[in-house]
Amino acid sequence: GAVVSQHPSRVICKSGTSVKIECRSLDFQATTMFWYRQFPKKSLMLMATSNEGSKATYEQGVEKDKFLINHASLTLSTLTVTSAHPEDSSFYICSAKLAGAYEQYFGPGTRLTVT
Amino acid sequence: AQSVTQLGSHVSVSEGALVLLRCNYSSSVPPYLFWYVQYPNQGLQLLLKYTSAATLVKGINGFEAEFKKSETSFHLTKPSAHMSDAAEYFCAVSEASGTYKYIFGTGTRLKVLA
Repeated sequence: GAVVSQHPSRVICKSGTSVKIECRSLDFQATTMFWYRQFPKKSLMLMATSNEGSKATYEQGVEKDKFLINHASLTLSTLTVTSAHPEDSSFYICSAKLAGAYEQYFGPGTRLTVT
Repeated sequence: AQSVTQLGSHVSVSEGALVLLRCNYSSSVPPYLFWYVQYPNQGLQLLLKYTSAATLVKGINGFEAEFKKSETSFHLTKPSAHMSDAAEYFCAVSEASGTYKYIFGTGTRLKVLA
């Protein structure tokens, strides 16, 4: 149980284009989803917290107009990187949690490369 | 603000030896604590969690951790290392404020020597 998927697993895009990453909880309803960014050999940096049906809460320093997050259903959250630039290249990981629980279940991650 | 410290960014052990990965947290109230493992180019897998029940927590793959409030620690141990344990390990604390956000430690890369 508690499986989270991400799609795509890997994406290459040209500078200036937008990329959408999907995060799905496959066997549970996730009231809250989180988006992280991980740099090589580094820990995870929380970008935003997404609650179903509400606007996402972004961490300080994360541009909400650049990283658009939508959590339209209890099983799906999307992260759209708008007007991507090479510095946006990174490993993006989402996680999801059940209502009332504290543990997060993580997706397999998406490797974004902007050329 | 809460913080999590993982002492030792790299730990090497021989196969069959004891694994000890350290995690200390700073919190004025007992937090919820977690250990995760990450294999290369993959997401994080939950190893175990402490949520104010038993202080000695058993997890998957033979790992366990002990919550010690007096030492503000939650060290991860495994009696006998296996080659497949080589990975990155992260300790995380969940804020008690209700936002459910995690604060991660910087991670410890475990290397298992044959």
